[in-house]
Amino acid sequence: QKEVEQDPGPLSVPEGAIVSLNCTYSNSAFQYFMWYRQYSRKGPELLMYTYSSGNKEDGRFTAQVDKSSKYISLFIRDSQPSDSATYLCAMKGSNFGNEKLTFGTGTRLTIIP
Amino acid sequence: AAGVIQSPRHLIKEKRETATLKCYPIPRHDTVYWYQQGPGQDPQFLISFYEKMQSDKGSIPDRFSAQQFSDYHSELNMSSLELGDSALYFCASSSGTGVETQYFGPGTRLLVL
Repeated sequence: QKEVEQDPGPLSVPEGAIVSLNCTYSNSAFQYFMWYRQYSRKGPELLMYTYSSGNKEDGRFTAQVDKSSKYISLFIRDSQPSDSATYLCAMKGSNFGNEKLTFGTGTRLTIIP
Repeated sequence: AAGVIQSPRHLIKEKRETATLKCYPIPRHDTVYWYQQGPGQDPQFLISFYEKMQSDKGSIPDRFSAQQFSDYHSELNMSSLELGDSALYFCASSSGTGVETQYFGPGTRLLVL
């Protein structure tokens, strides 16, 4: 079983809809949580990061972390066609010398105009 | 804003040849990370360097080696290339070690024939 599980999709929603992307994890050592957006054949782009349970908002994006349930989410409001991409959750531990990001498999999202 | 620079962007090699990938981190970033992303896969951590010293090691084959230089750029050297080494190789950088914000470059697409 992978340490990080993510629904691979694909997920198609109409423009303007609210999108919910989710990951679960099994490693209690994970303390930092990130969401990356990756367009086809491009490098992952850091969207949001957080290290505490609760919500963090940045424009149309909200990252939610529930450490007790080992569950994280990314919400996209007022979705736009330009949001069409693969979204990867990523996590890492906080201990010194642990630099590795562990990624989910990614969710391919398509916003339909 | 300046981003991570990787060169070359595309590389074609024959089996058993060697390849060198280069990474130039964001200015004032002192930590670099290397990831390998196979087709349809999530990025897998290879190795990282902080202040020219190896800071963490992942699933990097013995045929691969890497180093970070005094100007903080890094090179990933790959020898005895195999067909299975065909992948996207990403470099990421950050300011400091043990942080949650790794910023990825555009990647080098390696094809081994």
